[in-house]
Amino acid sequence: DAGVTQSPTHLIKTRGQQVTLRCSPKSGHDTVSWYQQALGQGPQFIFQYYEEEERQRGNFPDRFSGHQFPNYSSELNVNALLLGDSALYLCASSYSTGPYGYTFGSGTRLTVV
Amino acid sequence: AQSVTQLDSHVSVSEGTPVLLRCNYSSSYSPSLFWYVQHPNKGLQLLLKYTSAATLVKGINGFEAEFKKSETSFHLTKPSAHMSDAAEYFCVVSDQNTGFQKLVFGTGTRLLVSP
Repeated sequence: DAGVTQSPTHLIKTRGQQVTLRCSPKSGHDTVSWYQQALGQGPQFIFQYYEEEERQRGNFPDRFSGHQFPNYSSELNVNALLLGDSALYLCASSYSTGPYGYTFGSGTRLTVV
Repeated sequence: AQSVTQLDSHVSVSEGTPVLLRCNYSSSYSPSLFWYVQHPNKGLQLLLKYTSAATLVKGINGFEAEFKKSETSFHLTKPSAHMSDAAEYFCVVSDQNTGFQKLVFGTGTRLLVSP
């Protein structure tokens, strides 16, 4: 049973560019959450998607947007990249109706130069 | 607002000695509390969780944690460290025990295990 799959594993972008990160949830999970983990910090909640809509959002600017597809997979988009966006981006999936708890992917390491 | 404070950024132990990683939490609600572990270049793995059942929670790999409401603490312990325990550990709080949990992470404690 595949867990959470994220792609790509690493990428390098230039300031001002746009990036799209992808996540396939664990089989049967219908909710996807995204977290940003800067170097030396704990992950911070970006947003959560359920039924193809953003259900809740953390304290991140509108440059961060997302999407959930009918098969529950999700994308995270970041526009107008800043050096400070360099981080590990983690996707986590869960059941909306339980049992509760996340399964995390291994993340995408984004470097902005 | 919820938050967690991990009291040590680094903890060093010798293999075979006890491990104690300290965490204090702040929450306006009855919290759900978790400990996650992150090995280098890996994702996050759940060690254990507290969701208002037994206050002493047993997790994987011999770890356990005790919820102490009076002290607002949720410290992680293990009787005997193994080299493979070297990793980053995160204490996490959520005000929900639902499928829509939003997790609030501490800043992490790096556990170093020497032979």
